[in-house]
Amino acid sequence: DAGVIQSPRHEVTEMGQEVTLRCKPISGHNSLFWYRQTMMRGLELLIYFNNNVPIDDSGMPEDRFSAKMPNASFSTLKIQPSEPRDSAVYFCASSNHRGEQYFGPGTRLTVT
Amino acid sequence: GQQLNQSPQSMFIQEGEDVSMNCTSSSIFNTWLWYKQDPGEGPVLLIALYKAGELTSNGRLTAQFGITRKDSFLNISASIPSDVGIYFCAGRPTNDYKLSFGAGTTVTVRA
Repeated sequence: DAGVIQSPRHEVTEMGQEVTLRCKPISGHNSLFWYRQTMMRGLELLIYFNNNVPIDDSGMPEDRFSAKMPNASFSTLKIQPSEPRDSAVYFCASSNHRGEQYFGPGTRLTVT
Repeated sequence: GQQLNQSPQSMFIQEGEDVSMNCTSSSIFNTWLWYKQDPGEGPVLLIALYKAGELTSNGRLTAQFGITRKDSFLNISASIPSDVGIYFCAGRPTNDYKLSFGAGTTVTVRA
């Protein structure tokens, strides 16, 4: 079975540009999570969806960040405008009914 | 979610040695998960625990769900070079999909 798929794997962009990260969860999983990982702050939950509905977005750092899940097989995390401090690895994870979360390979974002 | 207390923060071990790490929480969890993360990759789920007192193995890995439901430990027996990586614990409270993560234990194996 395919795991969680994320694209792109690497993104380098200039400050002020819009960045869109994409995620395809594992088929049949009903919850999807977006995380950010940095050396300083570790793994931080940004937002999670249950049955395509955003449940908790309290981890989204600013209004520059937005996330959507238009259907059960696709989600996006958008940063507009991007800033250097947004540089991090962004993970998408999906979970089954038992709460086991499976992570994608991540997108390494560098904002110059 | 809250940050769990995971220890040790790092360890250097000799190949063939057994390794232990643990996580504690001030809150009760109904699920404990253990992950391993290799450089440049996402965390990979190793073991999931659902009941207080449960002891579960996955190859050379053994994990236990503490009786108080506030702690868990992970053992790696007879370590090998590919055990190098960062191990994270994660706990999930009842009626919540969010996980709380430990800060990670970095394992380095000396050949």
